[in-house]
Amino acid sequence: NAGVMQNPRHLVRRRGQEARLRCSPMKGHSHVYWYRQLPEEGLKFMVYLQKENIIDESGMPKERFSAEFPKEGPSILRIQQVVRGDSAAYFCASSPGGTGSLEEQFFGPGTRLTVL
Amino acid sequence: EDQVTQSPEALRLQEGESSSLNCSYTVSGLRGLFWYRQDPGKGPEFLFTLYSAGEEKEKERLKATLTKKESFLHITAPKPEDSATYLCAVQAKSSASKIIFGSGTRLSIRP
Repeated sequence: NAGVMQNPRHLVRRRGQEARLRCSPMKGHSHVYWYRQLPEEGLKFMVYLQKENIIDESGMPKERFSAEFPKEGPSILRIQQVVRGDSAAYFCASSPGGTGSLEEQFFGPGTRLTVL
Repeated sequence: EDQVTQSPEALRLQEGESSSLNCSYTVSGLRGLFWYRQDPGKGPEFLFTLYSAGEEKEKERLKATLTKKESFLHITAPKPEDSATYLCAVQAKSSASKIIFGSGTRLSIRP
């Protein structure tokens, strides 16, 4: 019964490169959430997706960041032209969806992005 | 604006010394409050969900309680393996699923 999977676990990029972070939700979960955690800070919501739909992207920076959750395959968080300030841990969470009630979110191990 | 404040930022206890962590929240209609545990280098691990004032939940040495303005995570006779950062988070009724996290309390238990 695999949990939320994220890869890579560690990613190093130089300024100006692109970063692609992947998230596979728990089996049976159709809702995915992305969070960012800066050093010594709390988790900040970025985006909430269902299959092929972005439901809430109110926490996403307006430029350079995008997210998708295709019909097949993992959810992708994409950061274009990375800058040093993008260095952080990026966590993905998933929930079952479709219940219409409050759902716990289960988190993956995170991807630690370092921008040189 | 919805907000979550946790205190203290850090807490060091001796093994067996009970204490409480505080989570104060301001939200426009609470849908639910969550407690998570996070170990260094890992993702948050779900502990509890509380829905309404007066509710309590227990798991091993941990007990979470909820009032209209705050939640407490009581830890009884802690052990070194309870050392972690404990995160509180809330979801508002107005939100589809967005969760707002506090900055956490770093708990350290000395043997």
